[in-house]
Parts: sequence; structure tokens; C-alpha cells
Amino acid sequence: EEQVVESGGGLVQPGGSLRLSCRASGFIFDTYEMNWVRQAPGKGLEWIASISDRRSIILYADSVKGRFTISRDNAKNSLYLQMNSLRFEDTTVYYCARGRYRGFDLWGRGTLVTVSS
Amino acid sequence: SYVLTQPPSVSVAPGETARLTCGGNDIVTKNVHWYQQKPGQAPLMVIFYDKDRPSGIPERFSGSNSGNMATLTISRVEAGDEADYFCQVWDDSSDHYVFGIGTKLTVL
Repeated sequence: EEQVVESGGGLVQPGGSLRLSCRASGFIFDTYEMNWVRQAPGKGLEWIASISDRRSIILYADSVKGRFTISRDNAKNSLYLQMNSLRFEDTTVYYCARGRYRGFDLWGRGTLVTVSS
Repeated sequence: SYVLTQPPSVSVAPGETARLTCGGNDIVTKNVHWYQQKPGQAPLMVIFYDKDRPSGIPERFSGSNSGNMATLTISRVEAGDEADYFCQVWDDSSDHYVFGIGTKLTVL
């Protein structure tokens, strides 16, 4: 079964850092673009970062550019999101999503990040 | 950046047809994808490339794209179709993925 599972969420103070992980299984990880998409409670979806299969293309939404870093380890079938300088408005559920068709065809269940003092 | 416009809510009776719209400037030139999200669950792709269905998605779900409007049509609506529906495109002018704000489908 194809799946992606996020981990690493939790409570962090404003200005702090957190690293999210996403472990993929059931498909050939290194042939797909991978993404992070977030959703604030009761709000819509916001794409925040994308990394191509061989890491040659990395893209960020303006809201996180310069603060977040997406990376992947194809040998470990894993995707990461390093989040620095966290703000209250970064409090959301973070989804790992597989890229396909210039969309997202496989999603994890998400991990909640809460930025609070 | 590119903007997608969706109505906040649509209501339909069971067995009827729901039409959810997604507006964007010359959206016909873009590939539109649709996602269903039920409470407490991750989004699920239900339509890709305007009108194609991923494996496992019922034929009741269909899509179209013309001019400045894309539409997700759900025929013979069931109670289990009640969810939020988001449209999404790739904006190659900004190299960003863009989502609409979502439409809450209520089955009366």
C-alpha cells in the first residue's frame, strides 16, 4: 500500500525551530516530487514547499521562504521540513503530499505544529 | 499571483446533482485538480487534469474546464459526499501551487 506518514509536530515557542519528517512506503520514492502543504484549523490548504525527485528543483511559498527548508533523503525514503523562526501564524497541520500531474495524489494524515508562548 | 475563487458553500438534496465552481482568469489554460476533504481527514484527490478520475473515485464525480471557470460535478449526491472541496492549479508564472479557499458541500 502506498502511504506517507508525517511526524515531528508539537508545541514550540515563537522564534523557535522544529523539524518535520515524512516517511514514504509502497512506491518508488525517488521518482516523485514531494511537497509540504499546510492547513490552519478550520481554514483552507496552503502549499508551502516542493522538492523534485533528484533535489534539483526546490520551491517555496512566499510565506515561508527564508525560514523553512525542504529536503529529502532518497536512500531513507524520507522528506523533511526544517522550520526556523516560527511565528504564531505557522500554527497549522502540516501534510506531506506526493506530487503528480502538477497536483497532489497521495497525502499523509498530517502532523500538528503549535506555536505558542 | 494567480487567484482561484470558490463559493464558500453549496447545498444539495440527496440524489440531486451538485455543481461546484472554481473561477480563475483564463483558467481553461491550466490543469485543474479537485480534492475532497472530510472532517478530520487528509485531502483526497478526486479529479486531476480537469476531468480525469483517480482509481477508486466513483464515476459520479466528473469535471470540466472552460473559459474562466472549472466545475466539479457530483451526480446522485449521497450523504457521504458531504465534505470540503478544494480546486488547485499550478501557476507557472510564479512557480507556485495555488488552492482555492474551498467549498463546503452540505447534503440536506
